[in-house]
Parts: sequence; C-alpha cells; structure tokens
Amino acid sequence: GAVVSQHPSRVICKSGTSVKIECRSLDFQATTMFWYRQFPKQSLMLMATSNEGSKATYEQGVEKDKFLINHASLTLSTLTVTSAHPEDSSFYICSARVDRGNQPQHFGDGTRLSIL
Amino acid sequence: GQNIDQPTEMTATEGAIVQINCTYQTSGFNGLFWYQQHAGEAPTFLSYNVLDGLEEKGRFSSFLSRSKGYSYLLLKELQMKDSASYLCAGMDSNYQLIWGAGTKLIIKP
Repeated sequence: GAVVSQHPSRVICKSGTSVKIECRSLDFQATTMFWYRQFPKQSLMLMATSNEGSKATYEQGVEKDKFLINHASLTLSTLTVTSAHPEDSSFYICSARVDRGNQPQHFGDGTRLSIL
Repeated sequence: GQNIDQPTEMTATEGAIVQINCTYQTSGFNGLFWYQQHAGEAPTFLSYNVLDGLEEKGRFSSFLSRSKGYSYLLLKELQMKDSASYLCAGMDSNYQLIWGAGTKLIIKP
C-alpha cells in the first residue's frame, strides 16, 4: 500500500519552457502532499506543502509565482515550473501523507528536470 | 531552532553491523523517521519511532530516546545493496518533517 506515482520521470527542455509535474497517490487519499527539490549530493529541500482544496504553503525563498502548485483532489497534486531556466535544473520529488499527521510521507520516484 | 544532526559518511564491511546515529532538536515532537535513498532515486520509508525503545524490522532496527533527543538506525548482515544515504527526520508539533542532511553509507566487500 501507500504507492505514490510521479510523472514524468525525466524532462529535458529549452529555457523558457513551462514544465508540469504530476503526483498521484494511487491507493490512498492524501490530504497533504509535499514538493521537494534536491540538488546533486545535497539534502532534500522542502519547497511547499500542498493541501487539498486550499492554497499551498511555500517555504521561505521559494517563488510561488514560479512554482505553481495545484492540489485539486485528494489523489492529485501538480507542480508547474513556469518559464524554467538552467538554474531550475534539479531533481524534484513529491511525497504524500494520509490524513493523520504522524503518518510517514511516501515518495514518488522523482522527476529529473534538465533545462538547456 | 530546529536541527537534525547525523554523520556525513560512514563505511562498513559486507556482512557486518553498522549503527547510524541521529540527534534532533524540534519544536515539539511527534516522532522520528528513517528513510533510505539510493543515488539518483527518491527516498523510501524505513521506520518510525515515537516511543522510547527499539523497533526491529528484519535486518533493520531503529532506536529512540526522547529524553536524550537521540535515535539510531542499526543495520545488520550488511549487503552491498545497502549502500545508500540514510535520512533521519524529526516530526515537530505541526507534523512537519525536519530533515537531516543524510548519512552516506559505503559498503565494502
């Protein structure tokens, strides 16, 4: 149980393109989903917490107009990187948690984004 | 402030036992998580401790001491596939995870 699907797994695109990443909880309802970014050999960095039906909560330093998050249902959250630039190249990982607060986060497989 | 400390890197031999330590400071406490992350992959959940003591799950065990703000992950009968980073994360009073930087475990034959 607790399977999270993230798509696409890899994106290579030109600078200025907008990229949408989907995160789905397949066998449970996720009131809360999380979006992380990880640069090579560095730790996970939480970008934002996404709650179904409400606006995402962004961490300090994360531009909400650049990283658009939509959590339209209990099983789907999307992250759109708008007008991506080479410095946005990174490993983006989503996670989802069932309703109760002290449950573990279950991660998708991640999306490797490369902006040329 | 909130903080998670764990060693940056450890080396162990195949078949041996290794203990990865983690100390934490969180605003309130709702448990301690361990995750495994292989290079280039997303983390996978290993264990959760909220009460003091040892939780055993196959070759992996996790220990928690709330009074000391301390946890460890114990890996027995090490296999080459256990080479990975191990992430310690404390959950604060708002149910937010505070992540450590991870311990890279290198297994040698």
